[in-house]
Amino acid sequence: QVQLQESGPGLVKPSQTLSLTCTVSGDSIFSGGYYWSWIRHHPGKGLEWIGYIYYSGTTYYNPSLKSRVTISVDTSKNQFSLNLNSVTAADTAVYYCARDLSGYYFLDCWGQGTLVTVSS
Amino acid sequence: QSALTQPASVSGSPGQSITISCTGTGNDVGGYDYVSWYQQHPGKAPKVLIYDVSNRPLGVSNRFSGSKSGNTASLTISGLQAEDEADYYCISYTVSGTGVFGGGTKLTVL
Repeated sequence: QVQLQESGPGLVKPSQTLSLTCTVSGDSIFSGGYYWSWIRHHPGKGLEWIGYIYYSGTTYYNPSLKSRVTISVDTSKNQFSLNLNSVTAADTAVYYCARDLSGYYFLDCWGQGTLVTVSS
Repeated sequence: QSALTQPASVSGSPGQSITISCTGTGNDVGGYDYVSWYQQHPGKAPKVLIYDVSNRPLGVSNRFSGSKSGNTASLTISGLQAEDEADYYCISYTVSGTGVFGGGTKLTVL
């Protein structure tokens, strides 16, 4: 059974970099040709697709975040990561990692989510 | 890219059917058969209900169905149950090769 788990700081100061890691168990990031995704949920608002990384390393990002986002993979640890720089209070959200089976947003498996607050 | 348009709220009584719309443009919903629907209960991760407009993953109740006409996709829930009360989101592939969610719809079961 595939499981995903987000980890990282729950509090980030404005203008700094938000860094989160998603640890995958029960599947290898490089085995199935899947897309490993990040999505966030702003408090009281809707979901926002951040981007994903294909097992080959190719990345796709939300155009509104593209200048600040990097998604990468650590092959040795079966993890993938999110870096979002120059954060503001508007980046406060619950961040989810998820597995996309097709690259067309068939997100079948999700982490539990982690709240990141941007505040000084 | 702009968020897809969903009604903020819908409601229905147990046993009834409801439909949630998701309206975009020819650059997203209308241009591709890649619309998915998600159900999210408070404090929980979203759960996929429909993918590729009308396909239902294994284990998802056949009370949930999806369709599309032009630039609008729809999610229909039949035989409403109390446990269906949740937020529902659509997401579509876009011409830029990225994804865009709808604003979400809160379903209330009366």
